Amino acid sequence: AQTVTQSQPEMSVQEAETVTLSCTYDTSENNYYLFWYKQPPSRQMILVIRQEAYKQQNATENRFSVNFQKAAKSFSLKISDSQLGDTAMYFCALHNAGNMLTFGGGTRLMVKP
Amino acid sequence: EAQVTQNPRYLITVTGKKLTVTCSQNMNHEYMSWYRQDPGLGLRQIYYSMNVEVTDKGDVPEGYKVSRKEKRNFPLILESPSPNQTSLYFCASSLSAGSRETQYFGPGTRLLVL
Repeated sequence: AQTVTQSQPEMSVQEAETVTLSCTYDTSENNYYLFWYKQPPSRQMILVIRQEAYKQQNATENRFSVNFQKAAKSFSLKISDSQLGDTAMYFCALHNAGNMLTFGGGTRLMVKP
Repeated sequence: EAQVTQNPRYLITVTGKKLTVTCSQNMNHEYMSWYRQDPGLGLRQIYYSMNVEVTDKGDVPEGYKVSRKEKRNFPLILESPSPNQTSLYFCASSLSAGSRETQYFGPGTRLLVL
C-alpha cells in the first residue's frame, strides 16, 4: 500500500513572501508521478504542478516549484511571492502505475495581507 | 468547454433512501474515478474505471456501486446510504489510465445523510 503524509494541517504566510508546504510519501514502486493540487473555497480541485519520479530535475510552474528528494521520499511545494489568491487547501498526491491515486490529508494555507 | 460535471451539487437525504450522483465528461476520457473527501483524510478513491464496462475498487468501496455503460458517464450509486457516507464527493477523469495523466475533477457533490 502507498501512503502520502502532509504533516502541516495549517500554515500562514504574509503576502509577497515565500512559503514551503511539506509532503512525504511511501511506495514500493519506482515508476510514479507526484502532484500538488489546490482546492480554493469553491471546492474545485486544480492541478498546480506535477513531478515524474524518474526525472531528477525539479518541476517549476511560474511561482510554484517543488523540491523532490526521491531517496528521502519527500516532495515539498514552494510558493514564491505569495498572493491572496493562493489561499486554499493544498493536497499532495501520488499516482502509481497501478492506477491508484493516493492523497495526503491536506494543508490549509492562509495568505495574509 | 472541456469539463467534468456532477449532479446534484448538494444533496440532503435520509438513511436507507437510494440515491445516484451522476458524473459526465466531454473529453472522451477513458479513465474515470470517484473520490470522497473528509476532513484530515484528504481524498480517498472509491471506485475507478479504466474503460467502458471495466470498473475496479479503490480504497473505500464499501457501501457504493458504480457502472460504466457509456464512455462519458460514470454514476455513483448509494443503495442504502448511512450517516457515515456524509461527505464531499468528487468525480475525476483522465485521458487514459496511467500515472502520467492529469486528472480533471468535477466541482464536487456535498452529501448529507440524516
